[in-house]
Amino acid sequence: KNQVEQSPQSLIILEGKNCTLQCNYTVSPFSNLRWYKQDTGRGPVSLTIMTFSENTKSNGRYTATLDADTKQSSLHITASQLSDSASYICVVDTSGTYKYIFGTGTRLKVLA
Amino acid sequence: DAGVIQSPRHEVTEMGQEVTLRCKPISGHDYLFWYRQTMMRGLELLIYFNNNVPIDDSGMPEDRFSAKMPNASFSTLKIQPSEPRDSAVYFCASSHQPDTEAFFGQGTRLTVV
Repeated sequence: KNQVEQSPQSLIILEGKNCTLQCNYTVSPFSNLRWYKQDTGRGPVSLTIMTFSENTKSNGRYTATLDADTKQSSLHITASQLSDSASYICVVDTSGTYKYIFGTGTRLKVLA
Repeated sequence: DAGVIQSPRHEVTEMGQEVTLRCKPISGHDYLFWYRQTMMRGLELLIYFNNNVPIDDSGMPEDRFSAKMPNASFSTLKIQPSEPRDSAVYFCASSHQPDTEAFFGQGTRLTVV
């Protein structure tokens, strides 16, 4: 069964600290993996998209990694800011079907 | 471009009533997606269109749900009759290609009482 699991479910950190969010997937076939940020009450916004051949991609203070062998991805946030408080959703795109498999997200809270 | 525009932002309706959600995709995007988000199930793809044609509606939960895209700049998702379990946030998204970045609208929060 195609699944995307994220951990932790929720996370609280202090402003300025780094954190890493995890995503494990059992999706086959695999086309690409995306990380989205969703602020409360708003639609998801794309952070990174990685294909099978890419193992890291950065977007400002956000760095995503992908290990296609172990089917794991991580999103590392450097020097967190209050505005990073949001849900982060890992999404795996299966080849040819355009049926994105969504994780349930990690809810991050950054405290001053 | 103003991005993907959805209306209304909030909808409260009584069980049994018809509900119509609207979406205006980003101009030039060939793909349009309708999603539903709940706390229990997260984001789920309901249906997607390519060049105004429905390609895959296997995510539509029941015959009570229907979606149309009469032209490249407008799509609707209709629920008739609505039920309390339909309460969720419904998102519309569009993309130029399905494997490129998808842009989401602000969503419509539907509450069926």
